Amino acid sequence: DAEITQSPRHKITETGRQVTLACHQTWNHNNMFWYRQDLGHGLRLIHYSYGVQDTNKGEVSDGYSVSRSNTEDLPLTLESAASSQTSVYFCASSDRTRDGETQYFGPGTRLLVL
Amino acid sequence: SQQGEEDPQALSIQEGENATMNCSYKTSINNLQWYRQNSGRGLVHLILIRSNEREKHSGRLRVTLDTSKKSSSLLITASRAADTASYFCATDGGSNYKLTFGKGTLLTVNP
Repeated sequence: DAEITQSPRHKITETGRQVTLACHQTWNHNNMFWYRQDLGHGLRLIHYSYGVQDTNKGEVSDGYSVSRSNTEDLPLTLESAASSQTSVYFCASSDRTRDGETQYFGPGTRLLVL
Repeated sequence: SQQGEEDPQALSIQEGENATMNCSYKTSINNLQWYRQNSGRGLVHLILIRSNEREKHSGRLRVTLDTSKKSSSLLITASRAADTASYFCATDGGSNYKLTFGKGTLLTVNP
């Protein structure tokens, strides 16, 4: 069955370190999204991509970057981790059809920045 | 910025009762969707209603949309303990597959 996976599921890092969170989907979807979820804020869009070599900034992109070298993967990099980036991160994907309005989510990565 | 805002923030009911959650949004939309999130898990799509629809059903779910009031409601009938989760509304304002999520309603169904 097609799925979307994230790794690691839990990560503890120190302030200033570079961290990369992986997202891999086997739906063959063109669209991929990264969100962060924080209490009191719901889900906020960090970056998104509509296809290979395409990346776009979302609502809260400062301090984050993404790259899309193939259809299946959209890794999220925290260039220099800050305590404010402690959060739960979700990756999602959707297709470029009318049904593409529906997003499929990964299980999330809990990141703690000390 | 948050497009959808769910109300109430938290709802506690007994098994068998109906649960109603509301969502208000600010700008015009193409569609509105509801997602469920179980504790510690990712979001799962429940139902989508388009801007030209007023009501939609899926199993025990009933969604209504009032574009004049910029609001939607999600009704879960005959709730079960397994319905305990957070429920989010998300709007698609036509910005190329991007969704804007509300902060969610935490539903607790007591056995």
